Amino acid sequence: DQQVKQNSPSLSVQEGRISILNCDYTNSMFDYFLWYKKYPAEGPTFLISISSIKDKNEDGRFTVFLNKSAKHLSLHIVPSQPGDSAVYFCAASQRFGSNDYKLSFGAGTTVTVRA
Amino acid sequence: NAGVMQNPRHLVRRRGQEARLRCSPMKGHSHVYWYRQLPEEGLKFMVYLQKENIIDESGMPKERFSAEFPKEGPSILRIQQVVRGDSAAYFCASSPRYLDEQYFGPGTRLTVT
Repeated sequence: DQQVKQNSPSLSVQEGRISILNCDYTNSMFDYFLWYKKYPAEGPTFLISISSIKDKNEDGRFTVFLNKSAKHLSLHIVPSQPGDSAVYFCAASQRFGSNDYKLSFGAGTTVTVRA
Repeated sequence: NAGVMQNPRHLVRRRGQEARLRCSPMKGHSHVYWYRQLPEEGLKFMVYLQKENIIDESGMPKERFSAEFPKEGPSILRIQQVVRGDSAAYFCASSPRYLDEQYFGPGTRLTVT
């Protein structure tokens, strides 16, 4: 039962352009959402998060947007840089609703930034 | 401040053998989580431990899998009588407090031949 879905397994973008990664979820009880970045042979690294009381959170080149009614979130990377080439995982939990620490992950989107 | 350490990084076991995966959390972190990533899938929660206590093992297979986090030493994920379907990447994460952000280790890639 995949509660978090990343329907695009890969994304190729030119350096300097915007990367948009999408994520959909089915569990309406999720109230905390995170994006992780993963390089080969390394563990996921926390990138940015957003709680359900917000619809946008920005950190430098990274912005996450949340549309609760659509159960959809997206990660924007502007401008994209070669070092952004990695696998990006969307994750969600019921942190505030039920104090749930368990993260549910999507399958990941592999981003390739072309020079 | 060293990050989360996992060893071995790669482990090859024959069917029926035992696999032991170790995780040393970040300094000052007393909460440990284990996740498993099967090919082409995202990470799936397995177990949450604090020192000497299993808090939540709802994601653990009912048989052959066990986990511990002793008072001293690393957390251990133990898989007995491994089968080919156990081949996966196993990630450990730690956090300093309950509900804090989880920091992940580099993972152990288990291959069962």
